[in-house]
Amino acid sequence: DIVMTQSPSSLAVSAGETVTLNCKSSQSLLYSGNQKNYLAWYQQKPGQSPKLLLYWASTRQSGVPDRFIGSGSATDFTLTISSVQAEDLAIYYCQHYYDTPYTFGAGTKLELK
Amino acid sequence: QIQLVQSGPELKKPGESVKISCKASGYTFTDYAMNWVKQAPGKGLKWMGWINTDTGKPTYAEDFKGRFVFSLEASASIANLQISNLKNEDTATYFCTRAKLYDHFDYWGQGVMVTVSS
Repeated sequence: DIVMTQSPSSLAVSAGETVTLNCKSSQSLLYSGNQKNYLAWYQQKPGQSPKLLLYWASTRQSGVPDRFIGSGSATDFTLTISSVQAEDLAIYYCQHYYDTPYTFGAGTKLELK
Repeated sequence: QIQLVQSGPELKKPGESVKISCKASGYTFTDYAMNWVKQAPGKGLKWMGWINTDTGKPTYAEDFKGRFVFSLEASASIANLQISNLKNEDTATYFCTRAKLYDHFDYWGQGVMVTVSS
């Protein structure tokens, strides 16, 4: 199974800061047949279901603000949130869908400083 | 609009069974597989498996083989998850989420909290 490792596990930020969340996979998520990285990022707020933010590592889901930027390839990925807003306080999960079983990282909790 | 609406919370005793449902609307049900994801209290997300909504064939992740059954009421665009012989460790919120095979999960149900307690 592919293991997804996220860091840090939590991050305290002030509104307006730019933050970078990391996600590493135990094997490459880049499929040579289409040059796509099979990685998604989700945001989960307390008491809510996860919300898709980005897929194919860097494609923003419709309606997601452009302050959420995904980057990386193969085994190393980042989610950058520029100018963090109070509404961005949540847990962020990366997930691969390269092959089954799909697995999620343990999450990064974004908290207010 | 696309919606996945799940059934309500459940309180069960160890050894009992539970069946939770996920009703899809706003899209062609058979165009997307239905996946199930478990989230224990205060924990992360764990993929349980998926069901092909066209053929009804389920695929289970290793930890969810045996007591877990995915099924469909395709004419009503409903996917079901049944858990038998409930254990305390089954206490969790269970989400349904749609996706094509090897693709991201774009819509999620609101989740069903299942509590197993004697």
